[in-house]
Amino acid sequence: SQTIHQWPATLVQPVGSPLSLECTVEGTSNPNLYWYRQAAGRGLQLLFYSVGIGQISSEVPQNLSASRPQDRQFILSSKKLLLSDSGFYLCAWSGDSLGDQPQHFGDGTRLSIL
Amino acid sequence: GEDVEQSLFLSVREGDSSVINCTYTDSSSTYLYWYKQEPGAGLQLLTYIFSNMDMKQDQRLTVLLNKKDKHLSLRIADTQTGDSAIYFCAEDSNSGYALNFGKGTSLLVTP
Repeated sequence: SQTIHQWPATLVQPVGSPLSLECTVEGTSNPNLYWYRQAAGRGLQLLFYSVGIGQISSEVPQNLSASRPQDRQFILSSKKLLLSDSGFYLCAWSGDSLGDQPQHFGDGTRLSIL
Repeated sequence: GEDVEQSLFLSVREGDSSVINCTYTDSSSTYLYWYKQEPGAGLQLLTYIFSNMDMKQDQRLTVLLNKKDKHLSLRIADTQTGDSAIYFCAEDSNSGYALNFGKGTSLLVTP
């Protein structure tokens, strides 16, 4: 069966420091991969998605970037964190058919910026 | 952009049925989804319904879809304290990749 792992589970970082969050998927090949941020108001905002290695689409302009160095690995990064980057970051995967596969989420990373 | 609307809170007694409602705006959505989020955890896919269906039942869960009114509901029969969580409604978006989520309904089940 397919599983998705995110780490770390929690992270406290100072303003201006770099960031690297990692997500890996097991048990499937060529998944679509997603990064979401869930702010305090509970809504989820799609940040990036990827349909293949090296293919990244950004949904909103921001201080973050994403990379997909391997088929089942998705990384969320920043060179310099801002206070506004605090939030709950969720990685998700779905099958490789456009629009007709449910998304499955990891357990999330709670990021606090001080 | 499209908005998915949900009421923010619902409180029910253990053993009663819970009904969580959702309205969406994108009539071209192919699938509509219900996710559950427990405190500090990620989102768990509960169930989803194809847009040409009116109803889907899965054990204690019943999903009703009124496509004309763009209304989706999730009924939980015999609600238990372990059902306390935030429930998110979501629809496929025009881009085909993103899901549009509501802000979630916080369900509190009291003994």
